[in-house]
Amino acid sequence: QLVESGGGLVQPGGSLRLSCAASGFTFSNYWMHWVRQAPGKGLVWVSRINGDGRFISYADSVKGRFIISRDNAKNTLYLQMNSLRGEDTAVYYCTKEDGSGSYALDYWGQGTLVTVAS
Amino acid sequence: SYELTQPLSVSVALGQTARITCGGSNIGSKNVHWYQQRPGQAPVLVIYRDKNRPSGIPERFSGSNSGNTATLTISRAQGGDEADYYCQVWDSTTGVFGGGTKLTVL
Repeated sequence: QLVESGGGLVQPGGSLRLSCAASGFTFSNYWMHWVRQAPGKGLVWVSRINGDGRFISYADSVKGRFIISRDNAKNTLYLQMNSLRGEDTAVYYCTKEDGSGSYALDYWGQGTLVTVAS
Repeated sequence: SYELTQPLSVSVALGQTARITCGGSNIGSKNVHWYQQRPGQAPVLVIYRDKNRPSGIPERFSGSNSGNTATLTISRAQGGDEADYYCQVWDSTTGVFGGGTKLTVL
């Protein structure tokens, strides 16, 4: 199970930290990802992190502004979002990779809504 | 950057076969995954690595991938299959989703 939290309304230029509490699997063994979906739009991949946190990648649209991290002791994934823009408004989903090496995302949280507006 | 192209919408009569395509340059050389998203819900993985079904996904869902096109096929379409469907691949270290296809069951 994946449960996101931390979404809300934030002004342009502001910051927000999303959390994702994981349960039911050995969290530290899996790559984890964030995927977002703007209202009425499609899915967009945001970032991913490997099991021990050493390997990270970002979409160009968030590189330099967002930071993904994880705390394996707490079974929690994070997304620190800085310098937020209107186009960052979206539902943010925490997802788990299936572990087969094919990068399929086999479990998704229900998402948390981030609204960037003044 | 790598791009995936999906039709905006596909319609299928109840009980018939729906095919949703996903186009990309030499996509046949990549692993393609498909997700179903019903209104107001989180996406669900329905096909991984081109043609494999996760546990719990009906056999009516199948996939293929060759050349520049991957295809999700839904046989004996049901009303519950109405949803948005997204294809996805990995390009280097970046995830890429198609724009999504809305499936309507008539």
